[in-house]
Amino acid sequence: SYVLTQPPSVSVAPGKTARITCGGNNIGSYSVHWYQQKPGQAPMLVIYYDSDRPSGIPERISGSHSGNTATLTISGVAAGDEAVYSCQVWDSSTDHVVFGGGTKLTVL
Amino acid sequence: QVQLQESGPGLVKPSQTLSLTCSVSGGSVSSSSSFWSWIRQPAGKGLEWIGRINVSGSTKYNPSLRSRVTISVDTSKNQFSLKLTSVTAADTAVYYCARETRTAVIYDWGQGTLVTVSS
Repeated sequence: SYVLTQPPSVSVAPGKTARITCGGNNIGSYSVHWYQQKPGQAPMLVIYYDSDRPSGIPERISGSHSGNTATLTISGVAAGDEAVYSCQVWDSSTDHVVFGGGTKLTVL
Repeated sequence: QVQLQESGPGLVKPSQTLSLTCSVSGGSVSSSSSFWSWIRQPAGKGLEWIGRINVSGSTKYNPSLRSRVTISVDTSKNQFSLKLTSVTAADTAVYYCARETRTAVIYDWGQGTLVTVSS
């Protein structure tokens, strides 16, 4: 089955840019979606189809693809951005949903 | 926006069956553009997709759970349900119900319900 790999943690100073990666074999051929999950809350969609933002998500949150890696970028990081971020794809060959293990973003 | 609410026992004994129901409001489980899913998350761990169902009753399950999982839909009550048999402590998790698009974008999530497997 398809596997998505994320770093367990990323730390960044306030006001800087955080980059969270999601690796997978030939991930460029998949649409990647990203979710933000704060403690005690359900996940929330922040990026879909690699780089689209749902309404209400600020432009400083963006997504991109390059080679075997998808990246979620958060610019101007603030304390309110501390959360676990998980990537997700749909494996159309098996019609299964696959999540990455999640990355905890810490604002220093 | 669709609202989803999980309900069911918070404690299940080992070897028994875990049963949860998701009530949908602000939308219909009969929508042909939506799939209805269950996802779980053990404490401190990542999200695990359990499976999904559409209005016609077509299902897909995570291969690791397929032998123990059944997802069903009740259009008359605008609900869908999860049954997981022969549970063990490893099935202890927060269980979420969710709405997926056909291409598995998960737009709407329930608040989640903690199910503990313990005697």
